[in-house]
Amino acid sequence: AQTVTQSQPEMSVQEAETVTLSCTYDTSENNYYLFWYKQPPSRQMILVIRQEAYKQQNATENRFSVNFQKAAKSFSLKISDSQLGDTAMYFCAFMKHVAGANSKLTFGKGITLSVRP
Amino acid sequence: EAGVTQFPSHSVIEKGQTVTLRCDPISGHDNLYWYRRVMGKEIKFLLHFVKESKQDESGMPNNRFLAERTGGTYSTLKVQPAELEDSGVYFCASSPMDRYNEQFFGPGTRLTVL
Repeated sequence: AQTVTQSQPEMSVQEAETVTLSCTYDTSENNYYLFWYKQPPSRQMILVIRQEAYKQQNATENRFSVNFQKAAKSFSLKISDSQLGDTAMYFCAFMKHVAGANSKLTFGKGITLSVRP
Repeated sequence: EAGVTQFPSHSVIEKGQTVTLRCDPISGHDNLYWYRRVMGKEIKFLLHFVKESKQDESGMPNNRFLAERTGGTYSTLKVQPAELEDSGVYFCASSPMDRYNEQFFGPGTRLTVL
């Protein structure tokens, strides 16, 4: 079974600064996906970024980038130039690389990020 | 394109009552998932439909929970009878078959059992 650990329950960052959210996971799978989802207050969860385990290059989406360390089973999210709209709960998640069946997500507990003006 | 919708957004019921949650996935998405987040804990997988068939129901907590997906369109999740520990936020997500790793989430239904 897979587990995802987000050990920091809360973080705060000043607007325009950079913040890194940590995530570790445990799995015996060799091929899988890792995700960061964002849930703003009272809004639905949206996908921020996805990483395929067999790709060594770290995924990047505009101000969001990841540091994927497969051997260490670490998957951190870096948010550059933080904006007030980045205030949200962030969830790290894991999915096996299996087409169709077993495509469920395994989530961490989430971290609440507050961006200060 | 309309997103995943869920109804109701909130439900408050008493222990022992029945509640039915509904999820309408994005049109054309054959995969439909139910997840639940109990306060302060991880979001946990409940079950996965492919069209109208249950692909994986390993996360269903017990037989008080019944999920259906009529004609492979919308899905319902019925809790009968509800217990206090069933309180939480129930999320639905959907994805297309050819991009199963892109799950789109609904806003969730917050269920409170008193």
